[in-house]
Amino acid sequence: DAGITQSPRHKVTETGTPVTLRCHQTENHRYMYWYRQDPGHGLRLIHYSYGVKDTDKGEVSDGYSVSRSKTEDFLLTLESATSSQTSVYFCAISELALEQYFGPGTRLTVT
Amino acid sequence: AQKVTQAQTEISVVEKEDVTLDCVYETRDTTYYLFWYKQPPSGELVFLIRRNSFDEQNEISGRYSWNFQKSTSSFNFTITASQVVDSAVYFCALSAKSGNQFYFGTGTSLTVIP
Repeated sequence: DAGITQSPRHKVTETGTPVTLRCHQTENHRYMYWYRQDPGHGLRLIHYSYGVKDTDKGEVSDGYSVSRSKTEDFLLTLESATSSQTSVYFCAISELALEQYFGPGTRLTVT
Repeated sequence: AQKVTQAQTEISVVEKEDVTLDCVYETRDTTYYLFWYKQPPSGELVFLIRRNSFDEQNEISGRYSWNFQKSTSSFNFTITASQVVDSAVYFCALSAKSGNQFYFGTGTSLTVIP
């Protein structure tokens, strides 16, 4: 299995507070991705990175920002969390932008 | 635009039955990749297979087989002699050469009844 960890694994936060989720990999893969999974929607791409400091928006990027200051870490930030951002967040990595390997997920609840 | 459609939301079968999960995709790219992932009740996402657009050979891996047909833009997944451990949500996904993004279907929830 690819070495991918996500932290925290569970988080409950209040509307309006900032939240940062961390994805850490030990595989030295170039590409990293953040998805959210919601019932009836499958997985939707939020942002992705194709190298250190190189990021781009995905399908549902509004309300989210990302940063990648080193190869192994990809941070997802909700500047001001809203209830609509309650979801399960998955990080994924890929070496050649082909198959992706996923982290264990973070369950975020915004109250 | 890229799109993946998994029309079957939920399927239930009795153990040892065969089951086919459908996946239809849309893309204008001539080079693209198709994937299947499994998400068991524990929640992790497990990569199963990748297929390249230039390789229409079907693939078999144990009880799993995949049928890729460009003529119908389909990439179907068959489980033969299903087992309870096959109970999971299965996702089909598409990645086109022109971009770095994956497009997932909404998933098919498979329940295998003992």
